[in-house]
Amino acid sequence: AQSVAQPEDQVNVAEGNPLTVKCTYSVSGNPYLFWYVQYPNRGLQFLLKYITGDNLVKGSYGFEAEFNKSQTSFHLKKPSALVSDSALYFCAVRPDRGSTLGRLYFGRGTQLTVWP
Amino acid sequence: DGGITQSPKYLFRKEGQNVTLSCEQNLNHDAMYWYRQDPGQGLRLIYYSQIVNDFQKGDIAEGYSVSREKKESFPLTVTSAQKNPTAFYLCASSTGAEETQYFGPGTRLLVL
Repeated sequence: AQSVAQPEDQVNVAEGNPLTVKCTYSVSGNPYLFWYVQYPNRGLQFLLKYITGDNLVKGSYGFEAEFNKSQTSFHLKKPSALVSDSALYFCAVRPDRGSTLGRLYFGRGTQLTVWP
Repeated sequence: DGGITQSPKYLFRKEGQNVTLSCEQNLNHDAMYWYRQDPGQGLRLIYYSQIVNDFQKGDIAEGYSVSREKKESFPLTVTSAQKNPTAFYLCASSTGAEETQYFGPGTRLLVL
């Protein structure tokens, strides 16, 4: 079965400090991995994705994510957090084969709070 | 402006009533999706369609129905059989099943 785990419901960091939002996954075949961000009462905004190639993926708003195949992880990172980064972050995985091709499986989300 | 629109922003349902949520996209995307979001549960797939006149059930299709008569439209009906419909509903689309999904602004459904 395909699954995504975001082990932390909440992450709190001070502005200017680095941030990490964790994601681990279980999927058949090679995964396509995504990060989305959601602001209150809004839809999800795409941040970045990993398909193949370089394990470090750069995305929007200064975010990046590191794919680690041996640890089946895809952690989201940013070197210096901003108060405006405060939002709900979702990790998602898509199998590259089988009957579930095309479907995204989402984690439960991690609420990031950046305080001034 | 290109994008995905959902209407209404808020929708109230009475007991025993069917309601329909609209999702329209002008991105020329082939695939469209409906998700339900409940607090602390992430997004769960209700239905998806990879091409006009075809759609598949997701993980929580019971109590919902869809149609895909036009490429740009994928309406979701919440039927009276859905006993706990209160949630935030998100529509998404992509150029194909293997491409990035982009989301609309969502519809919040509340029960009177």
